[in-house]
Amino acid sequence: DGGITQSPKYLFRKEGQNVTLSCEQNLNHDAMYWYRQDPGQGLRLIYYSQIVNDFQKGDIAEGYSVSREKKESFPLTVTSAQKNPTAFYLCASSIQGNTYEQYFGPGTRLTVT
Amino acid sequence: RKEVEQDPGPFNVPEGATVAFNCTYSNSASQSFFWYRQDCRKEPKLLMSVYSSGNEDGRFTAQLNRASQYISLLIRDSKLSDSATYLCVVNWGVIGGGTSYGKLTFGQGTILTVHP
Repeated sequence: DGGITQSPKYLFRKEGQNVTLSCEQNLNHDAMYWYRQDPGQGLRLIYYSQIVNDFQKGDIAEGYSVSREKKESFPLTVTSAQKNPTAFYLCASSIQGNTYEQYFGPGTRLTVT
Repeated sequence: RKEVEQDPGPFNVPEGATVAFNCTYSNSASQSFFWYRQDCRKEPKLLMSVYSSGNEDGRFTAQLNRASQYISLLIRDSKLSDSATYLCVVNWGVIGGGTSYGKLTFGQGTILTVHP
């Protein structure tokens, strides 16, 4: 089955530690995105990548880093510099072109204490 | 003013009711419009795209008014399974390089609860 997978579903970390969230897709989509969602708020764009080896900052990139070494994979690292890392992180992908519809993975719920 | 604004609700309606959600957007250059549905603690899923002429998918009808920068979603004959958060989503095209990959901006969502 084609889709987007994120792992793990729940993640707990101590403050000051970096943590990497996985996102893999087998939809052959060119573009991939990372969002965070906080309670009662809409999704906010962290980073996006249009093609392999290229990525751009979104609206709230501070404290995060990404890589895009393979078309299928777009991991997100939440660094210790991110002041409020506890959130629901969602990865999405879309095909190149005019449709703009994005398809989401199941998300990773990160809790930092 | 928020880029995409929705009434957060919650809307509590009985089964069989008709309910309408509204959404306004601030950027007149917006090109594409969507409604996504998000169940509690799950990822958003595309419900339907919104076209200028309006479009219908079963019990769901979406309307777009570009002049007023306004989008609506109408749900007829509500079912218990319609209970979810409905996200209004707007795209205004190019993020970079002249190729549009769809920078989506999400509203905060409208909560719908359908009760027996």
